[in-house]
Formats: sequence, structure tokens, C-alpha cells
Amino acid sequence: NAGVTQTPKFRVLKTGQSMTLLCAQDMNHEYMYWYRQDPGMGLRLIHYSVGEGTTAKGEVPDGYNVSRLKKQNFLLGLESAAPSQTSVYFCASSYRRLAGYNEQFFGPGTRLTVL
Amino acid sequence: GENVEQHPSTLSVQEGDSAVIKCTYSDSASNYFPWYKQELGKGPQLIIDIRSNVGEKKDQRIAVTLNKTAKHFSLHITETQPEDSAVYFCAALWSSASKIIFGSGTRLSIRP
Repeated sequence: NAGVTQTPKFRVLKTGQSMTLLCAQDMNHEYMYWYRQDPGMGLRLIHYSVGEGTTAKGEVPDGYNVSRLKKQNFLLGLESAAPSQTSVYFCASSYRRLAGYNEQFFGPGTRLTVL
Repeated sequence: GENVEQHPSTLSVQEGDSAVIKCTYSDSASNYFPWYKQELGKGPQLIIDIRSNVGEKKDQRIAVTLNKTAKHFSLHITETQPEDSAVYFCAALWSSASKIIFGSGTRLSIRP
């Protein structure tokens, strides 16, 4: 099993450009998450999904949109990139909701730079 | 709001010595506390966790302690080895909101 994969690994955007980050998992997990990681700030939840066709806002959702059209994929979109969105983005998945103490499995990350 | 503070931000120890990382949380309703290890260029990986009804948990060289009264928990790594060098994140889960808050991370370096 590949686990959680993310595409692309690196990307440089200009301010105002748009892009989509793709996350895929082959563990048949119900829950998927998008985080951003910034120096000295740990991981912050952007959006998450509790199942196919459903999404919800996390801690820092502004400027991002997500879609979960298929159970195994979770897409993160930036419609108009800003320098403040320069970060490392991690996708994660888990079998059930976190309240069930289910382990999150993380992807390798996407390093995004917005100039 | 909910918050998790983690200290220190960087830690350097001699190989073979012990390392301790401490976290405090703000909301007494949190009931699950995982620790993640992030190696360079990789995503975080769960290494140990503890539930609120347990005071201590050990897995080989790694242990976690929880003090619910003081609202703090700690990661202890004994007999440190070069492969322990990584960034470690603590986290606290608020089951009422089904969300997890991460600490800011500790960069652990093991000196040969």
C-alpha cells in the first residue's frame, strides 16, 4: 500500500494564481484532513472531510476550498494565492473520527511558495 | 480558545542521554494526547499516545506521562540514538469538537 500520497511535492506560484493540491489514500479511510505547517506554529487544520461528498472548515480555512468527490481523494484549492499561503501542506487520513482515538496517517507534504 | 504549548522549541542531547519534551493544554475537556515524530522531508508519524484515564504509558525507550490536574503531559526518550533526531509534536484532542490541536514542535538533535 502507498498510504497517503500528495501531488505535487513542490510548487512556486505568483500572487493571484490558482492551483489544486491532490491527496490520495488507499487505506479506505473515511476521514481526511488538510493541514498547513509553518515555522514555530505546528500543524494547523485547514479543512477536513468526514466522508465522500462532505467537507468542513478547520482552524484556518480562509483562502482555501476543498472537495471530496471520491472517498480516496481530497483536493485542496487556492483560488487566488497570496504570499501568506507560503507553507508546507500536509494531507492526513484516519479510519474514523478522531474522537475514536484513531491514528492519523500523514502524507509527505507539499512545499508551496507564493511570490 | 483551546491551546497547546510545547517546550522547548529546540533540544540537543548527547547520544545515550535522556530527552524530555513538555506540553501543556488549556481545556480540561481534552482526553487524548498523541505524540508525532517528523523526520526531515516526511510527514508526521504517530509514535505514542495516551488517554486521559491513564497516567503513564511506555513503549521501549519512549514513555509519556500525563498530569490531568496540572494539564500537562511529557514525552521521555531514554538512551537516545542518532535516529531519534527529528521534530516532535505533541497534540491534544477535544472530542467534543472532534478536533486536534498540535503544539509548535520541538527539534531534537542527538550529538554523537
